[in-house]
Amino acid sequence: SQQGEEDPQALSIQEGENATMNCSYKTSINNLQWYRQNSGRGLVHLILIRSNEREKHSGRLRVTLDTSKKSSSLLITASRAADTASYFCATKPRTGANNLFFGTGTRLTVIP
Amino acid sequence: KAGVTQTPRYLIKTRGQQVTLSCSPISGHRSVSWYQQTPGQGLQFLFEYFSETQRNKGNFPGRFSGRQFSNSRSEMNVSTLELGDSALYLCASSLGGELGTYEQYFGPGTRLTVT
Repeated sequence: SQQGEEDPQALSIQEGENATMNCSYKTSINNLQWYRQNSGRGLVHLILIRSNEREKHSGRLRVTLDTSKKSSSLLITASRAADTASYFCATKPRTGANNLFFGTGTRLTVIP
Repeated sequence: KAGVTQTPRYLIKTRGQQVTLSCSPISGHRSVSWYQQTPGQGLQFLFEYFSETQRNKGNFPGRFSGRQFSNSRSEMNVSTLELGDSALYLCASSLGGELGTYEQYFGPGTRLTVT
């Protein structure tokens, strides 16, 4: 399967703490994207990082990509209760199937 | 700009019936993709339409089909519904180019329950 895997499956932290989620994948990629999903609703795009990039920032979000280890991490700094959601990574393979493969997701709970 | 809209939001059908779901992409977006989300299988790609043509297809049986109209609106049809088709169906639109090259914008989803 080309599906990625997020780690941990669930994460619970206090408001103000940082949250780190990891994503591992199996094939060479064109890019990797992170999405957020509030319970049972649509996904919201957070960041897209291309295979030739190592780090990207967007507000309180920081994404790193290590193509040699086929892994990425999403860091949310100074978390807020509103960050409570599921976070998914999605990879676009460099060759082969032309679609996005989503990971299994990390369920983040931020306790006020 | 209005976001991606999906109708209906909730649907209950019985086994053997068929269902049609609708998706209106963001204005100017030509690519529409459909995904199925279930607790067991996660998010799985169904197909993508671009300029009224199916451009990419996931690994789903032929009971799942779709189409795209000239205004980029898309419909997805599932025939002969099975209990396992109960899921959240998500539609996503993007500007175009090769699928996955740019970020996708998702609609709120249609929750389908098959009884």
